[in-house]
Parts: sequence; C-alpha cells; structure tokens
Amino acid sequence: DQQVKQNSPSLSVQEGRISILNCDYTNSMFDYFLWYKKYPAEGPTFLISISSIKDKNEDGRFTVFLNKSAKHLSLHIVPSQPGDSAVYFCAASRRYSSASKIIFGSGTRLSIRP
Amino acid sequence: EAGVVQSPRYKIIEKKQPVAFWCNPISGHNTLYWYRQNLGQGPELLIRYENEEAVDDSQLPKDRFSAERLKGVDSTLKIQPAELGDSAVYLCASSLDIQREGSFFGPGTRLTVL
Repeated sequence: DQQVKQNSPSLSVQEGRISILNCDYTNSMFDYFLWYKKYPAEGPTFLISISSIKDKNEDGRFTVFLNKSAKHLSLHIVPSQPGDSAVYFCAASRRYSSASKIIFGSGTRLSIRP
Repeated sequence: EAGVVQSPRYKIIEKKQPVAFWCNPISGHNTLYWYRQNLGQGPELLIRYENEEAVDDSQLPKDRFSAERLKGVDSTLKIQPAELGDSAVYLCASSLDIQREGSFFGPGTRLTVL
C-alpha cells in the first residue's frame, strides 16, 4: 500500500522554464511534507518542507504547494537550471505522533535540457 | 561541518554471508535512522534511534537484521545471513529537528548479494 505516490517517474524541462513535480498521498493523518533531491551516488538532500496548516511555502526558486482536500502537493522550480537535474523524492509524516515515520514516494527523475 | 559518514560505500558478498554497515551521524544529532532503498524506489525506514534507544524498529526484519547504537553516537547495521533480495542501498540519516530541516543523509552503502 503506497501511501505516498509520485506517478511520474521522469520529467524533462527546458532550462529557464518552470519544473512542476507532483505528489499524491492517501493518509489524511499526514501533517508534514518534505521534498528531497538526490544526485547519483549521493544520499538525498533535504530541499523544502510544508506543514499542513499552510498551503504554500517558498524558498528562493523552490515553492511547494499543498492541497489538503485533494491530498496533493507539488514542487515548483522556476527558473529551472541544469544543476536541478536529479531525482526528487516527496515524503510525508505525522508530526506529533510518537510512532511517526517519514514515508517516501518512489521519486521523479528531473532532466533539465539546454 | 562533516556530514553523515557511512562505510563501506560498496559491498559485494555471496548469499548466506554476513555483512555489516557503519554510520557516524552529524555531531549532536540525537536521532539516527537506517533506511533501505531498492532500485527505482524511495527510501524505506528500517529503524530509528533516539540516542541509544531504538524507538521504531517495526520494519526491521529481525530474523536476519540487527542494529545497535552504542553510546548514542555511531551505529552499525548487520545482516546475517544475507539473501539475494537484500541487494539495495542502505542509507543512514541523522537529524536534530526534523520538522525544520529534515534529516541529513549519508551517501549510502550499495550492497550486492550474489
């Protein structure tokens, strides 16, 4: 049972344009969401997060949007740069649960073309 | 500041052999995680430590996997005996305040079981 789903295994975007990565979740108890970026042969790197009390969080070129009613979140990167080419993982957790664990999606490979 | 250190980076063994992975978290991080990442999937939590206490090991296959975190700093993850299906990347991560900054991952150990 995949609680966090990234339905697009790959995405190709032209440099300078907007990259939009999508993520869906099934567990309505999740209240904290994170995006990680992973380069080959490296561990994932934390990118940006959002609490369920917000619907948007912005950090430089990266913005995460949360739609709780649709159980959907997205990561927008604008403008896209060659260094953004990586695998992006969406993750979710229950912040105040003592049994909380982070559930990761399967990832989306983003390729930025010149 | 040094990141999460893991060794070895790569390990190839024959099935039924034992194997051990080592992790040194970021200094001061009380929470330590071991994840397993299969090809094309996101990381899956195996065990989470708060200091030296394993607070979530529900996903750890206890018949063959074991972990320890003596003195609440370094940690080792052991598999004995290894099976073909254990081939994966084993990631260690640590965090101080996961709600604000996510967790920091090491580069992982790629295990191949022949």
